[in-house]
Amino acid sequence: EPEVTQTPSHQVTQMGQEVILRCVPISNHLYFYWYRQILGQKVEFLVSFYNNEISEKSEIFDDQFSVERPDGSNFTLKIRSTKLEDSAMYFCASGAERDEKLFFGSGTQLSVL
Amino acid sequence: AQSVTQLGSHVSVSEGALVLLRCNYSSSVPPYLFWYVQYPNQGLQLLLKYTTGATLVKGINGFEAEFKKSETSFHLTKPSAHMSDAAEYFCAVRNTGFQKLVFGTGTRLLVSP
Repeated sequence: EPEVTQTPSHQVTQMGQEVILRCVPISNHLYFYWYRQILGQKVEFLVSFYNNEISEKSEIFDDQFSVERPDGSNFTLKIRSTKLEDSAMYFCASGAERDEKLFFGSGTQLSVL
Repeated sequence: AQSVTQLGSHVSVSEGALVLLRCNYSSSVPPYLFWYVQYPNQGLQLLLKYTTGATLVKGINGFEAEFKKSETSFHLTKPSAHMSDAAEYFCAVRNTGFQKLVFGTGTRLLVSP
């Protein structure tokens, strides 16, 4: 079965540094998402992306966050100036159709020190 | 706003026993409901989903769930647990017209021999 691939699997950064989390969605998918899970808490929606623009975002997704699909295969999440509370597992997901099932990657564990 | 509540952060069963994982939802409109499973070091995998139509939904690996509007529930069941079912299970809801999934806190299923 096709997979969503996320790199790196673990990332450690210093507070205030910029990080870019990378995802390769399934090739024919059109809808792209980022979710995150802080340890011990719920999986939370961050943002959805379709047709090269953000289609929906949560309150978490503030000016420090941005997403990009730079080359038609990668989908990235950038955090400009990381905070301690950004430490979480970040999941990328993609879907072929708006209401069809989502395929999730195995996540990037971000640790902000 | 829609939400889901999963009762029990951990559920333990013996191999061969019935699995019952509980999920109650809150939504002002008929929701789409999902169960996802997460195996260690892997992404979230869709088990089954309810959109419209038949209220008993069959999924992969022998799991099924029943949508009960009167009880606002979408409990996940499997008649006979297998060791390989040990994982974290997430219930999620999405309202029509929106893309984001709202997840519950998850239930870890432990299966003993």
